[in-house]
Amino acid sequence: QVQLVESGGGVVQPGGSLKLSCAASVFTFRSYAMHWVRQAPGKGLEWVAFISYDGSNEYYTDSVKGRFTISRDNSKNTLILQMNSLRPEDTALYYCAKDVMPGTALGAFHYWGLGTLVTVSS
Amino acid sequence: IVLTQSPATLSVSPGEGVTLSCRASQSVSSNFAWYQQKPGQAPRLLIYGPSTRATGIPARFSGSGSGTEFSLTISSLQSEDFAVYYCQQYHTWPPMYTFGQGTKLEIK
Repeated sequence: QVQLVESGGGVVQPGGSLKLSCAASVFTFRSYAMHWVRQAPGKGLEWVAFISYDGSNEYYTDSVKGRFTISRDNSKNTLILQMNSLRPEDTALYYCAKDVMPGTALGAFHYWGLGTLVTVSS
Repeated sequence: IVLTQSPATLSVSPGEGVTLSCRASQSVSSNFAWYQQKPGQAPRLLIYGPSTRATGIPARFSGSGSGTEFSLTISSLQSEDFAVYYCQQYHTWPPMYTFGQGTKLEIK
């Protein structure tokens, strides 16, 4: 069974930084695009960022452009989300998710981790 | 692209069938998916494409639609099906994927 395990969440002050990690196993990580999706407490789902299977393409939702950076290390089966200039509205449970299609991404999120909670508060 | 799900809450008895709806503000062709989320759990992909069941999803779940109108049908509700259901489009490129606000399916 595919495993995705997020870590790195915590409490940070507005303007601060956090680095989230997602450890992937039981599938060929280097073959799949990956995503970060977040869910504010009691709210719905919001796609945050995409990275292609080889790391050559990255895309972000407008509200995090210029502040968040997605990256991956295919040698370590790890997905990263570097979050800078954090705002209270970034408070959410952050999930990493595997695309349903190998190679060129489809954009549906097949497997999800359990999430890591980021709280931005003074 | 804005996705609007209806209704927000649906009360249904176990064993009954139910259809959830999602409307897109513009055409997303067939680039559409449905997810189920139970309290305290990560979402689970049910349907994509928009009628292909994901791995391990029971046959009582089916999806249909194209363009701007989509539906998810659960043919005979089991106790484990009571959850929140989200629709999602992945039509836009570069990606700007969006989700609906969710429909809560509760026991009547």
